[in-house]
Amino acid sequence: GAVVSQHPSWVICKSGTSVKIECRSLDFQATTMFWYRQFPKQSLMLMATSNEGSKATYEQGVEKDKFLINHASLTLSTLTVTSAHPEDSSFYICSARVIAGVFPSSYNEQFFGPGTRLTVL
Amino acid sequence: AQTVTQSQPEMSVQEAETVTLSCTYDTSENNYYLFWYKQPPSRQMILVIRQEAYKQQNATENRFSVNFQKAAKSFSLKISDSQLGDTAMYFCAFLQGAQKLVFGQGTRLTINP
Repeated sequence: GAVVSQHPSWVICKSGTSVKIECRSLDFQATTMFWYRQFPKQSLMLMATSNEGSKATYEQGVEKDKFLINHASLTLSTLTVTSAHPEDSSFYICSARVIAGVFPSSYNEQFFGPGTRLTVL
Repeated sequence: AQTVTQSQPEMSVQEAETVTLSCTYDTSENNYYLFWYKQPPSRQMILVIRQEAYKQQNATENRFSVNFQKAAKSFSLKISDSQLGDTAMYFCAFLQGAQKLVFGQGTRLTINP
């Protein structure tokens, strides 16, 4: 299957600093990537949809100025947590979407990265 | 809006037993896809099985099978001959068209030796 990588796998930063997380599709191109946040023992919460060459679409309640998303190429999307605070500590997961199946039953399938654990001190 | 509900926060069975995880969903759409994902302690999301709503036949993947009841909007996962490596969080998810995945709350499954 398609491989999605994330870098870094874990990061510790001081409060007030910014942290950038990269999401790459290694063997395929993805016009759309998704960013999720997962708190311990909880489900994945979609933060935003990242579209190559255009602005990201943020879910309700997600601050777009705090979580900056850039999808500059068909294989790379980045999430920058600006002015991070301890409450931003979480597990961040990205996924890349491909179109699978045959028309008219084609659908989009998401391949997930291994996640990034962010700890803000 | 579509919703996905997993009513079993935790389950525990002995190795080699069969276990069934429940999932219900709510949608007014007729064509959609349902998924079960596994998230082991490594936290890498792994696709376990996929079901297309227009197909009446239940999907199977080796020891994993689903019971898809479209009218009841139910999509349960059966794991046969459970193995220690099956220990993980399991998420049921719904997808319609090109929209985003909607996840359930998850079920923590523990396989005991």
